[in-house]
Amino acid sequence: QQQVKQSPQSLIVQKGGISIINCAYENTAFDYFPWYQQFPGKGPALLIAIRPDVSEKKEGRFTISFNKSAKQFSLHIMDSQPGDSATYFCAASFTGGGNKLTFGTGTQLKVEL
Amino acid sequence: EAGVAQSPRYKIIEKRQSVAFWCNPISGHATLYWYQQILGQGPKLLIQFQNNGVVDDSQLPKDRFSAERLKGVDSTLKIQPAKLEDSAVYLCASSLGGLGTQYFGPGTRLLVL
Repeated sequence: QQQVKQSPQSLIVQKGGISIINCAYENTAFDYFPWYQQFPGKGPALLIAIRPDVSEKKEGRFTISFNKSAKQFSLHIMDSQPGDSATYFCAASFTGGGNKLTFGTGTQLKVEL
Repeated sequence: EAGVAQSPRYKIIEKRQSVAFWCNPISGHATLYWYQQILGQGPKLLIQFQNNGVVDDSQLPKDRFSAERLKGVDSTLKIQPAKLEDSAVYLCASSLGGLGTQYFGPGTRLLVL
């Protein structure tokens, strides 16, 4: 019940295209859903996060869409750039859980010219 | 603002040897986390400290792993004795409080031969 399932495992997108990564969760107690970006040899860095009181959050080219009833959320990267090539992790936590993050398995994104 | 510092960055040891990792969190961050990231997987929480007290160590293999956070600042994670399956990147993260954004260090890549 603590799992967060992420897909696809890898993704190749042309420059300027839209990258979409999906996550699903089971634990309805989760109330915080961040996305992390990780470059090789670096630690994950927070990209954008959402709480379940809104269905969408946009920051620049990055948008989280959240579907509470389906227990799913997704990351959309608009106008994808080669510099966006990285591994993306969705995660979830709940307030009563001490901010413990449960991560998805990651999506390796490659943006080609 | 300086980020989370970790050392060493890389470590190669033989199985059954011991190893220790060090983490210095962002100044003023009360909460410190150690994660294990196995190749191709998302980070998994090993232990969470609030100041110098343990909040969650439910996924720490206590027969071989230990961690401490003296004086509520720096932390060390030790493995003794190491097994082949301990080969992973060990990430340290810190947050201002129990619900704040987690900031990750670059990690220590451990290879057990």
